[in-house]
This record gives sequence, structure tokens and C-alpha cells, in this order.
Amino acid sequence: DVKVTQSSRYLVKRTGEKVFLECVQDMDHENMFWYRQDPGLGLRLIYFSYDVKMKEKGDIPEGYSVSREKKERFSLILESASTNQTSMYLCASSTNRGPTYNEQFFGPGTRLTVL
Amino acid sequence: GENVEQHPSTLSVQEGDSAVIKCTYSDSASNYFPWYKQELGKRPQLIIDIRSNVGEKKDQRIAVTLNKTAKHFSLHITETQPEDSAVYFCAANAISGANSKLTFGKGITLSVRP
Repeated sequence: DVKVTQSSRYLVKRTGEKVFLECVQDMDHENMFWYRQDPGLGLRLIYFSYDVKMKEKGDIPEGYSVSREKKERFSLILESASTNQTSMYLCASSTNRGPTYNEQFFGPGTRLTVL
Repeated sequence: GENVEQHPSTLSVQEGDSAVIKCTYSDSASNYFPWYKQELGKRPQLIIDIRSNVGEKKDQRIAVTLNKTAKHFSLHITETQPEDSAVYFCAANAISGANSKLTFGKGITLSVRP
């Protein structure tokens, strides 16, 4: 089974803090994604990466950055957290090969609260 | 880019009845259409998907149909049960070069009344 794990289930930070959200997948997937989920807005793509050290902006990249130094790990960084970044953050991974290509496997999510 | 719309935002059905959820997409190049189910407090999980070379796919009580001409696809759940209550997301892939990402609809909350 694909396992996608995220470093924290719940996180509380203060406005202006630098926040790191970590995601690790164990299936050698090429692609990794970060979404935020807000009520009524669905899943909105922040950034994604299709290879080590590669990144592409999604639909709402403002206020975020990402890092992918190793294939299995994709980090989301909030340089200076703000209250409007309070949300559920979901990581996902997918492969371009085999019978499950394109299918995205999600992590459990991190509920971030910025005070 | 791809735009996926999902209507309605909520749906309530009686246990045992059928539920149909519809989505439309905008990019005719999209060729992969998954449906995800998210139970309260849990991660989204794939329940069924369809690729553009087929028009219908079925897995026990759930089925998905695809109309490429009209650019819409639908999830059909028969004999609904309380455990089908969840948020359902449709998605379509958006192909950018050699890479593919998914664009999700806003989700529909399905409630199955016992």
C-alpha cells in the first residue's frame, strides 16, 4: 500500500512565524502535491513537484514556497504565517507509470491554526 | 487551465435510494477522471476512476459515466447506505507538457438518511 505521511496532524503557530510542513511518501512516486482544503472551496493546489528539485506553482501559491531535495520528501514552507493561512493542508503523491498512473494518494492532513 | 464544476453542493437521499453526482470539465485534452470520497476527519480516498477510452465503469454499487462530447461525467451510487455519507470530489487531469496534475471540484456533501 502507498503510504503518505505528514509530520503533524495539528499545528498551532503565531502570526509571522516560519512554518514547515513535511510530507513523505514511500512508493517512489515522481509527483508530489500540496493542497489546502477549506469549507466550500474544495481542494486547491498550492504547489506541485514532478521531480527532485523541480517545482511548479499551483492555483494559490502566494505566501508559500516548497522544497524537494529528495524524491520521497516534499516540504511546504510558510515564510511568515498569517491568520488567513489557517486551514487543512493535504499532501499527495502520484506516479506516471503503471496501472495507478495519475491516481493521487493523500496524506492524513495537517490542521494548521495561525493565531 | 482546467476548470471542474460540481453540482449541487449538497445532496440528501433516503437509504436504499440511488444518488447521482454530476461534474463538468472544460479542457477537452483531459483524459483521466477520478472520484474521491472523504469521510469526516479522514483523508480523501479514490473510489473509482475512468479514463477517456471508455464511457462507463462499474464497481459493485458505484459506477461512473463519461460523456466526452458534452464534457461531463457522473458518479452513480445505488442502494445507498448510511456509510456512503461523506464528501465526494470529482477531478480531471490537466496536462502540462509531460506532467499531469488534477483539478478538483468543490465537493458535494452526500447525506444518506436512515
